[in-house]
Amino acid sequence: AQSVTQLGSHVSVSEGALVLLRCNYSSSVPPYLFWYVQYPNQGLQLLLKYTTGATLVKGINGFEAEFKKSETSFHLTKPSAHMSDAAEYFCATGGSQGNLIFGKGTKLSVKP
Amino acid sequence: EAQVTQNPRYLITVTGKKLTVTCSQNMNHEYMSWYRQDPGLGLRQIYYSMNVEVTDKGDVPEGYKVSRKEKRNFPLILESPSPNQTSLYFCASSLSKMVTAFFGQGTRLTVV
Repeated sequence: AQSVTQLGSHVSVSEGALVLLRCNYSSSVPPYLFWYVQYPNQGLQLLLKYTTGATLVKGINGFEAEFKKSETSFHLTKPSAHMSDAAEYFCATGGSQGNLIFGKGTKLSVKP
Repeated sequence: EAQVTQNPRYLITVTGKKLTVTCSQNMNHEYMSWYRQDPGLGLRQIYYSMNVEVTDKGDVPEGYKVSRKEKRNFPLILESPSPNQTSLYFCASSLSKMVTAFFGQGTRLTVV
């Protein structure tokens, strides 16, 4: 069965520092992989997704993620954190029924 | 504007009192689903629907019902709510399986 694991329920970085949020997936078939962001009191917004093709995926707000099959990983990065990046981030994969299977989420804090 | 609209945004109710949370999308999407979000657990799918009159259970369907009489609407029904259904609920829609899901703003339900 497909699943995703997000390492670290809370990550804190300084403004301007590298953001790295980790996600590992488990799937017996080539996966669809997504990163969603949730700002306080809001719904989820798609940051980026990997389906097929190029393994480095660029998303909105300067985020990108690299699909590494050998490591079963899909880590999210941003070179320089901004205060507005503070939010909760969810990695997800596509289930066999077309549903989304989410990780437990990582809360990102950005310190001035 | 393309959107998924949930109502109400906030609801406090008592144990056993039937309630319905409405969800409507204006994108002519075939695939709709309901998730609940709980701290430390991420989002878990309750029910999904691949088209009108086609619904199926997700990972945590106990205590919930849904219907899909029209393409745009996908209400979530709690016939006899219990305190363990206190949660944040999200409706989502997508054009089909495995493509970008659009999420509503969420409904925060408290059952006392």
